[in-house]
Formats: sequence, structure tokens, C-alpha cells
Amino acid sequence: KNEVEQSPQNLTAQEGEFITINCSYSVGISALHWLQQHPGGGIVSLFMLSSGKKKHGRLIATINIQEKHSSLHITASHPRDSAVYICAVMSRSQFYFGTGTSLTVIP
Amino acid sequence: DVKVTQSSRYLVKRTGEKVFLECVQDMDHENMFWYRQDPGLGLRLIYFSYDVKMKEKGDIPEGYSVSREKKERFSLILESASTNQTSMYLCASSFNPPPYEQYFGPGTRLTVT
Repeated sequence: KNEVEQSPQNLTAQEGEFITINCSYSVGISALHWLQQHPGGGIVSLFMLSSGKKKHGRLIATINIQEKHSSLHITASHPRDSAVYICAVMSRSQFYFGTGTSLTVIP
Repeated sequence: DVKVTQSSRYLVKRTGEKVFLECVQDMDHENMFWYRQDPGLGLRLIYFSYDVKMKEKGDIPEGYSVSREKKERFSLILESASTNQTSMYLCASSFNPPPYEQYFGPGTRLTVT
């Protein structure tokens, strides 16, 4: 049983498209994180949120605590957004990770 | 900028060898973590440490040990490497208390032949 489920697993988009990646979780959380991993391995934290919505440039993250669901949106997608996006939740000092969504943006 | 560095980006070892992976952070973080990442399985926690000389087992500690003698340095040791330990190993660090943001190193891709 996975505590964190992401969808879709793979996503291909044309440059300029609006992209949504979804994350559902089954545990009580103190925070939810969206991470980005480019080919080669390094992981960067995009957002940490526990309620509402956060925006950074073309990226928007939302969370609905009652529904245990979060979404990551990318507006005006660009080939440099191609990466694996990972949802992670923190529950009682422990992290649970989704298996990631692999995004490819085609020029 | 927080910097988490790992001793190697790529490593090839033979079955039965003792392997050391080292992680260093420069932000005076209390917490340090070792994960492995495998396709379809996501990140899985091997061990973490919340203070010098303190360690806690994660989800998959079997076949691994760790050492934290200094606050900035957290080592992962494979006592006798096996082929099923071929993986990407990622170190991370963070402040306490939760909720906290983790900062990741670049990863070490270990191949055991």
C-alpha cells in the first residue's frame, strides 16, 4: 500500500501547454512537498505547503487537506520543464514519497 | 545557498567489497538522511540521523550501516556490497523541528558487479 499516489506516471506535452500533476495521500500530514528531479539525479524542492496555494513563476501548487489531494500546475510549459516531479508528504517526522511523474515537453 | 555534496557521482564496485558513500552539508543542519531510488519504487529511506552519533533505521536498513561523527558529515556503509544494492543513492539534510524542507545532494549512482 502506497501512502502517496501520483498521476499520471508519464506525461508528454507540447511547449506552451498547461500541465497538471496530481498527488493523493492517505496519511495525516504536517506538510506536502513538490520536488523536481532533472536527468542526472539532483533533486530540488519546489514547494512546501500545508494549506491553500503557492505560486513561483510559472509553477502553482495547491492542496486540499480535507480531500488529501494536491496538484502541481505548470503554465506555458517549456522544454526545460522536462523532469521528474515527485510529491512527498511529511507525517510525524517521516517522509513518504510518490513514485514520480515523468514530464517531457516537446518544442 | 545550502550545499549538500556527495563523494562520488558514479561508482562501480565488485560484489563483496566494502563501500563508503559520504555526504557533507554546509548549513549546520541537525538532520541528515540516506535514500535509495529505484525505478518504479521512488525514494526509500535507508537511515537518518538527527544529531551527531545518533541514527535511526529507515524502511530498508538491511545491508547498510551509517556513521555520523561530525554534524556536517553522514556516511553510508555497505559492509559487503551485493548486486541488489545497485541503485541511485541520495543524501539529504534539514533543520529541526518539523515540518522541514529537505535539501538533496546530487546523488551517487552505484553499480555493483
